[in-house]
Amino acid sequence: KQEVTQIPAALSVPEGENLVLNCSFTDSAIYNLQWFRQDPGKGLTSLLLIQSSQREQTSGRLNASLDKSSGRSTLYIAASQPGDSATYLCAVRGSGGGADGLTFGKGTHLIIQP
Amino acid sequence: NAGVMQNPRHLVRRRGQEARLRCSPMKGHSHVYWYRQLPEEGLKFMVYLQKENIIDESGMPKERFSAEFPKEGPSILRIQQVVRGDSAAYFCASSPRTHTDTQYFGPGTRLTVL
Repeated sequence: KQEVTQIPAALSVPEGENLVLNCSFTDSAIYNLQWFRQDPGKGLTSLLLIQSSQREQTSGRLNASLDKSSGRSTLYIAASQPGDSATYLCAVRGSGGGADGLTFGKGTHLIIQP
Repeated sequence: NAGVMQNPRHLVRRRGQEARLRCSPMKGHSHVYWYRQLPEEGLKFMVYLQKENIIDESGMPKERFSAEFPKEGPSILRIQQVVRGDSAAYFCASSPRTHTDTQYFGPGTRLTVL
């Protein structure tokens, strides 16, 4: 059974810092990995999707990497801003015959201090 | 292109009543997924549907819960005889194809059972 773990559970940093969020998964048989942000009381916004054959994806100040063999992904946020404050979720889509939906981690609650 | 739409956004039911949650996928998307987010827990996959077919319902509770995605109209998640433990945020996502595609999430329906 796939399990996704995100570390740290919470993070508070001053504005302007570069930071890294970590995600690990137990079963490397995946189609892809997706990073989302969730604002309080809101839905999920897709940030980046990395296919299993890819190593990284970039969008603006965000860069996500994937090491499928070791079951790890990182989300790098450059020059953080107060508007980046949210919960960041990592999710994998399994290819090993399990459930067809995404398996989510519990998220990293990020606070960027002005 | 409108995003994934869910209604109602908030739903209050008394124990024993029925709850119907609706999801209209993005235009051109034929794959719909339902997820549940219980308080203080991560998102959990419930069911994956294509038009008129349930593809994977491995995450759906065996009793009281059902889902459909008819040829015409929105996808419906139906919860019969609701109990307090059903109180949660229910999210719908859609994708144009499957497996390798980004899932786009709706704003969610927050169900409160009194």
